[in-house]
Amino acid sequence: QVQLQESGPGLVKPSETLSLTCTVSGGSISNYYWSWIRQPPGGGLDYIGDIFYTGSTSYNPSLRSRVTISVDTSKNHFTLRLTSVTAADTAVYYCARVDNSGWTWGQGTLVTVSS
Amino acid sequence: QSVLTQPPSVSGAPGQRVTISCTGGSSNIGAGYDVHWYHQLPGTAPKLLIYANSNRPSGVPARFSGSKSGSSASLAITGLQAEDEADYYCQSYDSSLSGYVFGTGTKVTVL
Repeated sequence: QVQLQESGPGLVKPSETLSLTCTVSGGSISNYYWSWIRQPPGGGLDYIGDIFYTGSTSYNPSLRSRVTISVDTSKNHFTLRLTSVTAADTAVYYCARVDNSGWTWGQGTLVTVSS
Repeated sequence: QSVLTQPPSVSGAPGQRVTISCTGGSSNIGAGYDVHWYHQLPGTAPKLLIYANSNRPSGVPARFSGSKSGSSASLAITGLQAEDEADYYCQSYDSSLSGYVFGTGTKVTVL
């Protein structure tokens, strides 16, 4: 059974770049789409974007100018970069495997933007 | 802001039936894209309840059911139990946004 684990700094300063990695275990990253989602404190789920294992990406229009998602099939992981962060980017960030049978989610990691 | 609208809250007594609506539009649910449903307990990741409109993954009790009609979808919980108290989200794909969308979320309270 595939498992996903997010990792990265829990604290990022305003105007800096947020970087997170999602490591996939129990299955190959190939042949699937992979996504990043975030949830602000007390808020709902927001789709950030997704990537196919070949590197093709799709981003939420509201974040497109600041987001980059990349994949490394040799390491079986994919990454999220979000530039010029502000307090509004404080959220729990989830990675997930996109599947027509429903998405499989990581446990999530809280990223706080604060000086 | 989400393009899928859910009621902020629903409530019911133990044993009752509650339904949660998910209203979209012609570029998402109405375009034929599948709807998935998740529930989320505080501090935990969303967990899949229903996939592809009406299918239950193994391990999900039969009292959870999903349906879709036109530009809307619904999740029904029959025989409501205290452990069902959680937040519930629908999810679909939107062709005008070229990406996935989530519902606004519904908090289910067991009275």
